[in-house]
Amino acid sequence: KAGVTQTPRYLIKTRGQQVTLSCSPISGHRSVSWYQQTPGQGLQFLFEYFSETQRNKGNFPGRFSGRQFSNSRSEMNVSTLELGDSALYLCASSLGILNEQFFGPGTRLTVL
Amino acid sequence: DQQVKQNSPSLSVQEGRISILNCDYTNSMFDYFLWYKKYPAEGPTFLISISSIKDKNEDGRFTVFLNKSAKHLSLHIVPSQPGDSAVYFCAALQGGSEKLVFGKGTKLTVNP
Repeated sequence: KAGVTQTPRYLIKTRGQQVTLSCSPISGHRSVSWYQQTPGQGLQFLFEYFSETQRNKGNFPGRFSGRQFSNSRSEMNVSTLELGDSALYLCASSLGILNEQFFGPGTRLTVL
Repeated sequence: DQQVKQNSPSLSVQEGRISILNCDYTNSMFDYFLWYKKYPAEGPTFLISISSIKDKNEDGRFTVFLNKSAKHLSLHIVPSQPGDSAVYFCAALQGGSEKLVFGKGTKLTVNP
């Protein structure tokens, strides 16, 4: 079974721009979660989607948004990029009911 | 307010010996705990989990112990192998939520 895939793997943007990251979950997984990893804050939960609905949301500003499609693929969007948004963005999928989450390799975003 | 804490940022162990990684939590509503291992440039990989109704779960060389009264869990790796060298994250889930709350990780180095 193919694992979680994320595209692109690396991205460089400048302040003020917006970015869209993509995540394809493991086949059959209906839950997709997004996390931000930075050296100072560690892994922090952004939001979780299940069957195209946002079920959980972390403490991030409204510039961070996401959506999930009917095939469970998910996208995350960050608008008006700031330097502090530079991070590794990880996507994880699960069956959605207190199951282990399986992570993708992440997208390394650098904001200049 | 960090709800999951890994107070040791690093740990160094000799090959063949036991590695003990510790994790404390503050939220008594957490009822499911997981350990993830992360290599550089990869997403976290699920290792082992434990439900709050148990105090021990074992999988091969990995054993997780949960002490609910102390709000403490630990991961034991016996025997440690050089390939175990990675960053280990402790994570917790609250019932009904897919929002993983992570500790900041402990970097384990197993020396040959």
